[in-house]
Amino acid sequence: GESVGLHLPTLSVQEGDNSIINCAYSNSASDYFIWYKQESGKGPQFIIDIRSNMDKRQGQRVTVLLNKTVKHLSLQIAATQPGDSAVYFCAEIPNRDDKIIFGKGTRLHILP
Amino acid sequence: EPEVTQTPSHQVTQMGQEVILRCVPISNHLYFYWYRQILGQKVEFLVSFYNNEISEKSEIFDDQFSVERPDGSNFTLKIRSTKLEDSAMYFCASLVQHGGGYTFGSGTRLTVV
Repeated sequence: GESVGLHLPTLSVQEGDNSIINCAYSNSASDYFIWYKQESGKGPQFIIDIRSNMDKRQGQRVTVLLNKTVKHLSLQIAATQPGDSAVYFCAEIPNRDDKIIFGKGTRLHILP
Repeated sequence: EPEVTQTPSHQVTQMGQEVILRCVPISNHLYFYWYRQILGQKVEFLVSFYNNEISEKSEIFDDQFSVERPDGSNFTLKIRSTKLEDSAMYFCASLVQHGGGYTFGSGTRLTVV
């Protein structure tokens, strides 16, 4: 069935280091993937997306990598800052569908 | 930057009571959604709405739930007879077109006592 899961529930990273958050998905029909950031008391905030015809996409300090062979998605955050502390969700949108299927989330802790 | 606005931010209600959660999507968006997040869990899809009708709903969205776009701007989620397990954050989202970016509201925290 359709499912999106995360490898690690929490991740602690030293301020200034790079963070890598991983995600596995199981629906090979998904053609659009999104990373969301959720701060306490707020709704999911779009970070970056990638379509299935790409394997890498870069934004400002963030990079998403997609490996369709092993159905793996990752979010890389460069030079992690205190403001990056949040829960990060990967999400997929199956082909010809519009609802978002969210994973369980990874909490990112930034250590001073 | 355009926002999706949700009211109230927090609602406490007694079990069995009806609640209406309100959302004002972004004005030129065409697709509207409700999602739910039980504390500490992932965000779950409830329902999608397009062209004044439900386009898809999940198993969670049973007969106790309904959605409405009464006046062309507001998008509401009604729970007719709340249960304790309905306690969650409810997020509204809107989308201008398929393949575009979703915008989520800040959510309504519903507490059923």
